[in-house]
Amino acid sequence: EDKVVQSPLSLVVHEGDTVTLNCSYEVTNFRSLLWYKQEKKAPTFLFMLTSSGIEKKSGRLSSILDKKELFSILNITATQTGDSAVYLCAVEEYNNNDMRFGAGTRLTVKP
Amino acid sequence: KAGVTQTPRYLIKTRGQQVTLSCSPISGHRSVSWYQQTPGQGLQFLFEYFSETQRNKGNFPGRFSGRQFSNSRSEMNVSTLELGDSALYLCASSLGVLTGNNQPQHFGDGTRLSIL
Repeated sequence: EDKVVQSPLSLVVHEGDTVTLNCSYEVTNFRSLLWYKQEKKAPTFLFMLTSSGIEKKSGRLSSILDKKELFSILNITATQTGDSAVYLCAVEEYNNNDMRFGAGTRLTVKP
Repeated sequence: KAGVTQTPRYLIKTRGQQVTLSCSPISGHRSVSWYQQTPGQGLQFLFEYFSETQRNKGNFPGRFSGRQFSNSRSEMNVSTLELGDSALYLCASSLGVLTGNNQPQHFGDGTRLSIL
């Protein structure tokens, strides 16, 4: 059965630390992998990755995809308390119009 | 540009009742997807609509249904509510163009449904 697995499930760090969140997947016809940040309400879009080895960057956040090993990482440098959230990974397939989500990683950044 | 709007924000119902949730997508977005989010199961796909047609459906019972109107607004209906239907129901929209469909979905704040 297709699946998306995120690790760790939860993580507690202090401000200024760097964190790496992982997402591995097994789907039949991979099209793209997406990262979302969910605080209290709507997941907000972070990155969409379709090609291996091309890093996407937005401020202190970056992400990269390895289509051979079937995983992606999300890096956050110099973490701030505002980075505290659940980070969700989702995978889209060709000929399909849904997204399969992982369980999420709950990141807590302490001052 | 307004984001995805879901109404109502909160709902409390009892077992056996039915409920209708509404979602207005971002202007210009034609695809609307619905998800159920619970602490135990995470985010699970319900169904996706494009141009008033259901294109894809997740593994939920027939009590869960939806529709999309010509202005791309969508409604989701759950009949004969059960305690296990308590969840956050999220709607997401995207351009949904069939070819070269590489646009991310954008989520609304959700409707929190509690079944007593």
